[in-house]
Amino acid sequence: DIQMTQSPSSLSASVGDRVTITCRASQGISNSLAWYQQKPGKAPKLLLYAASRLESGVPSRFSGSGSGTDYTLTISSLQPEDFATYYCQQYYSTPETFGQGTKVEIK
Amino acid sequence: QVQLVQSGAEVKKPGASVKVSCKASGYTFTSYYMHWVRQAPGQGLEWMGIINPSGGSTSYAQKFQGRVTMTRDTSTSTVYMELSSLRSEDTAVYYCARALSGGWYNYWGQGTLVTVSS
Repeated sequence: DIQMTQSPSSLSASVGDRVTITCRASQGISNSLAWYQQKPGKAPKLLLYAASRLESGVPSRFSGSGSGTDYTLTISSLQPEDFATYYCQQYYSTPETFGQGTKVEIK
Repeated sequence: QVQLVQSGAEVKKPGASVKVSCKASGYTFTSYYMHWVRQAPGQGLEWMGIINPSGGSTSYAQKFQGRVTMTRDTSTSTVYMELSSLRSEDTAVYYCARALSGGWYNYWGQGTLVTVSS
């Protein structure tokens, strides 16, 4: 199985901050990576797929980059509605696996 | 609009089975695969398996092999996930999620809480 390691596991930030979350795969996944946002009591919401493609309707302050084993989610200017937990997911091979999550909290 | 509507919360005793449904609407049911993902309280997301609603073929995570069965009913555009021999560690919210084959999930059900307790 491909292991996905996210960092940090949590962070505190202020509105307007630039936030970066990293996801590392245990082997190359050829950009087969998605990012999700989850708020308490809700299902995850797709933000990006294919490492850098923005899902329809998702604000452009969200962006993704990376290749091989290392990928990044960036929020360019954190908004109040962005405080949530973020997960990466590889779909390069089954079982599809998720990172452990990064909780973004208000500073 | 695409909707995935899951069945309601369940409380089961250890050793029992649970069957969760996921009714799809707003798209051609057989054109997209359905995955099942679970989330234990306060924990991360765990992939359980996938079903192709077109032919009914399935693939399960090794962890659940022998305990999970995914089926579909094309007449009602519904997929089902049955988990047997329940134990307390199976207490979780179970989600269905739509994808193009293996891939990213652009639509999710609302989740079904399954509580396993004696």
